Amino acid sequence: EAQVTQNPRYLITVTGKKLTVTCSQNMNHEYMSWYRQDPGLGLRQIYYSMNVEVTDKGDVPEGYKVSRKEKRNFPLILESPSPNQTSLYFCASSLRRTGGDEQYFGPGTRLTVT
Amino acid sequence: QKEVEQNSGPLSVPEGAIASLNCTYSDRGSQSFFWYRQYSGKSPELIMFIYSNGDKEDGRFTAQLNKASQYVSLLIRDSQPSDSATYLCAVYNFNKFYFGSGTKLNVKP
Repeated sequence: EAQVTQNPRYLITVTGKKLTVTCSQNMNHEYMSWYRQDPGLGLRQIYYSMNVEVTDKGDVPEGYKVSRKEKRNFPLILESPSPNQTSLYFCASSLRRTGGDEQYFGPGTRLTVT
Repeated sequence: QKEVEQNSGPLSVPEGAIASLNCTYSDRGSQSFFWYRQYSGKSPELIMFIYSNGDKEDGRFTAQLNKASQYVSLLIRDSQPSDSATYLCAVYNFNKFYFGSGTKLNVKP
């Protein structure tokens, strides 16, 4: 089944404790992206990647890191989480490197930082 | 100014009516336009995309794009209670996606 998977689905952590949220797609998609979704603010792009080893900042990259060592994986790293990073996070992928086509979203990761 | 603006709603329509959802965007260079549906607690799923000025129809859904007015709309004909969800407008511009905050649609039986 074609899909984007994320782990964990739920995470409660404390301020400053490094964490990684994994994202994997099995559709051989070029473009991958991370979003956070907050009430009233919609989805905001954190980072995106157009190819292996190519990543770039989205609208809200502060406090996050990503890497793209393999085409299928795009982990999101929070080196020192803070309470303002409490949010619902989505990973997404799309087929083409550029051009902007349909994005397939993972199931989401609900992160709480206390 | 936000890149993509939507009325947050809720928009309430009776079953069988036409629901009209609207979206404006700020950057004239935007290249692709998308409507996603998101049920509560779920991930967004694509309803339609449109690249060129005019109308695009797919079943009960019609997307309309007017680049001169920087305006995108989604019409849902014969609305069903199962269409009740939040509808997200998204714009693709130079490798980045920008989403509106979404319009909540309630279809009343």
